[in-house]
Amino acid sequence: DAGVTQSPTHLIKTRGQQVTLRCSPKSGHDTVSWYQQALGQGPQFIFQYYEEEERQRGNFPDRFSGHQFPNYSSELNVNALLLGDSALYLCASSGPKDRVYGYTFGSGTRLTVV
Amino acid sequence: GESVGLHLPTLSVQEGDNSIINCAYSNSASDYFIWYKQESGKGPQFIIDIRSNMDKRQGQRVTVLLNKTVKHLSLQIAATQPGDSAVYFCAENTGGYQKVTFGTGTKLQVIP
Repeated sequence: DAGVTQSPTHLIKTRGQQVTLRCSPKSGHDTVSWYQQALGQGPQFIFQYYEEEERQRGNFPDRFSGHQFPNYSSELNVNALLLGDSALYLCASSGPKDRVYGYTFGSGTRLTVV
Repeated sequence: GESVGLHLPTLSVQEGDNSIINCAYSNSASDYFIWYKQESGKGPQFIIDIRSNMDKRQGQRVTVLLNKTVKHLSLQIAATQPGDSAVYFCAENTGGYQKVTFGTGTKLQVIP
């Protein structure tokens, strides 16, 4: 049973560019949450998707947007990249039977903005 | 992989000793708390959780204590092993949807 998978694992982008990160949730999970983890910090909540809609959002600018597909997979898009967007981006999934109690994280995508 | 514990408080413990990691949480309305372990290059891994109607919960080699009066959580690891070396985060959830808010992590270093 595959857990949460994220792609790519590493990415280097230039300031001002746009990036798309992808997440496939654990089998049986229907909710996807995205987190940003700067070096030496705890993960910060970006937003959460359920039934293909953004259900909750953290304190992140509109440059951060997302999407959830009918198969529950999700994308995180960041426009107009800033150097400060360099971080580990984590995806977590949870399901109908084990909501937050069953939060499962992927290994993340390491984004470097130069 | 790149370390996630570059600027975090560090706890150094001798192998075989017990470890205690402390955490202060922020929201008195939080009703569910989780401890996560994060190894270098990996995502956070669930260790143990506790609901706000409990003050203690035990797992295998781990115990979580909750003091709601002072909004304090602790994680106790018995007989600490080298494989326990990682960054540990406490996290809280305030009802409703599954948003989890992470606290400041602690880097645990186990000395062989």
